[in-house]
Amino acid sequence: DADVTQTPRNRITKTGKRIMLECSQTKGHDRMYWYRQDPGLGLRLIYYSFDVKDINKGEISDGYSVSRQAQAKFSLSLESAIPNQTALYFCATSDPDRGADNEQFFGPGTRLTVL
Amino acid sequence: DAKTTQPTSMDCAEGRAANLPCNHSTISGNEYVYWYRQIHSQGPQYIIHGLKNNETNEMASLIITEDRKSSTLILPHATLRDTAVYYCIVRVDTNAGKSTFGDGTTLTVKP
Repeated sequence: DADVTQTPRNRITKTGKRIMLECSQTKGHDRMYWYRQDPGLGLRLIYYSFDVKDINKGEISDGYSVSRQAQAKFSLSLESAIPNQTALYFCATSDPDRGADNEQFFGPGTRLTVL
Repeated sequence: DAKTTQPTSMDCAEGRAANLPCNHSTISGNEYVYWYRQIHSQGPQYIIHGLKNNETNEMASLIITEDRKSSTLILPHATLRDTAVYYCIVRVDTNAGKSTFGDGTTLTVKP
């Protein structure tokens, strides 16, 4: 089984709809992240969480909100989806206790299309 | 975190070494160099990281210049499955949350 899973894998929705993307991990990591990727571009950080009670905005948090329901779960919500939020969304985890070896582990991605 | 500069694209013949450069001239003394790759819209995959010494693992080697202002990722015997976008990231060891994935280098391995 995959260590970091994302649901749904693909979603098509309409402008104005509320959408939730979910991420679960079995790695036992405290830190979780949400990124978006637009075609041909790198990843941009939306939100990150260093533990259940610590949520931080990334570089492009406007229009998004998150919820860290448990150590293993981190959800991303689009309260009112708009077409320019069409993108590939990735969840990731890392373990700060590993010091410099705390590489990030990424999920398979959710492809979201907003019509 | 320091900014990095990578070539947009590179080609490599199958079986040959692929050398991917990265400039990070503003790197600070406590910042590490990390490399990830992303194969066709899959989640990025960690490859290797280093501070100032050269590093090698089962996937690749990382060569960091003495002044630490640039580095090179080496895939010693590239295969078609190594075709991917390669990202060079510079950050302090505990700051994964602020990793900036730029546009990376698209490596195409050709038969």
